[in-house]
This record gives sequence, C-alpha cells and structure tokens, in this order.
Amino acid sequence: SQTIHQWPATLVQPVGSPLSLECTVEGTSNPNLYWYRQAAGRGLQLLFYSVGIGQISSEVPQNLSASRPQDRQFILSSKKLLLSDSGFYLCAWSAPRTGGPNSPLHFGNGTRLTVT
Amino acid sequence: AQRVTQPEKLLSVFKGAPVELKCNYSYSGSPELFWYVQYSRQRLQLLLRHISRESIKGFTADLNKGETSFHLKKPFAQEEDSAMYYCAPPNNAGNMLTFGGGTRLMVKP
Repeated sequence: SQTIHQWPATLVQPVGSPLSLECTVEGTSNPNLYWYRQAAGRGLQLLFYSVGIGQISSEVPQNLSASRPQDRQFILSSKKLLLSDSGFYLCAWSAPRTGGPNSPLHFGNGTRLTVT
Repeated sequence: AQRVTQPEKLLSVFKGAPVELKCNYSYSGSPELFWYVQYSRQRLQLLLRHISRESIKGFTADLNKGETSFHLKKPFAQEEDSAMYYCAPPNNAGNMLTFGGGTRLMVKP
C-alpha cells in the first residue's frame, strides 16, 4: 500500500534562517506531488506541484521554493525565512492522470512551522 | 477562473440534527469534485468524490449543475462528525487550484 511521510512534525526557526521540509512517498511510481499551506481561516493554498523529477510548477510568488530530486521525494525550502512563512504545511500525492477521472489527494501529517 | 467556494466557515448543530455543508463551484465543462475531512489530530483525508455516488459515514453529496453546487449532507449528525470539511476541485496538475476555505462542523451533544 502507498504511504506518505512528512517531517519534521513541528519546527521553530528564527527569521532569516533556512528551511528544508521533506516529503517521501512509498508504494507508487511517478506520483504527482504537492505542497500546500493551511492557514487558519484561509483554507488550503496550493504552493507547488510536480508531475515528475525536476518538474516544479508554482504560480504563487513567495519566499519558498520546491525541488524534486527523486521520483518520490519532494522538498520545500527557503533560504531566509520570514515571519509570514509561519503556518501548517502539507505534502500530498496523487496518482498521475491517465485520461480517466482525477485521482484524489493523499496527505501527509503536516509540519507546523513557527518563525520567531 | 475555476473556483470552489464554501460560504460557511463554521456550522454548529445538535446531535441528531440534519447537516448540510455548502459548496459552490464556478466551472466550465464537467466538474469532478471531492470532499475532504480533517478530524482532530488526524491527517486530511478524502471523504467522498462525486463520480462514485457513494455514501461514506452517512454523508452524501450530489452535484447540482443547475445550481452549480456540491453540498455535503447527512440526515442525522453525530458528535464524531465534528471536523474540518473541505470541498475541492480536481487535482489536475495542469491547473493550480486551491481548495475551498473549509467549513468547521461542530456537533453538540
């Protein structure tokens, strides 16, 4: 069966420090991978998605970047954190679209990031 | 632009009362919509999808193209239904789509 792992679960970082959140998926190949941010009262915001190694898409300008160095690994990074980067970050995967109905998202447990 | 909206941030009902969580969409073409749920201290997970036309934990959701809605309904709410519910568009990687704002359901004893 497929599983998704996301770590760390919580993180407290000072302003200006770098960030690296990691997400890995097991039990599936060539998944679509996603990073979301969940803000209180503001729902889920899609930050990045990837359909393959080295392929990252984002339309939300921000202080964050994403990378996919391996098929089932997705990393969210920042060179210098801002206070506004605080939030709850969720990684998710879905099966690649093959012309049929869209497959649902499967979420990790999330990372609570506090920038101080 | 394709969009999904959930007009209610909070819905509070008593146990045994009917529940309807609203979701409206603006789409061109045939939408494929989902409902996700996040219980306390659990990960966000799929509740149901409209193409399957199934009932999960007593919840159903019917796509109403005339009203462009995909409301989530349950005839008799249970305390364990208390959670955050998100209506979601398809996760087509060709579109950068964001979930609805979510509705927190509180079922009181």
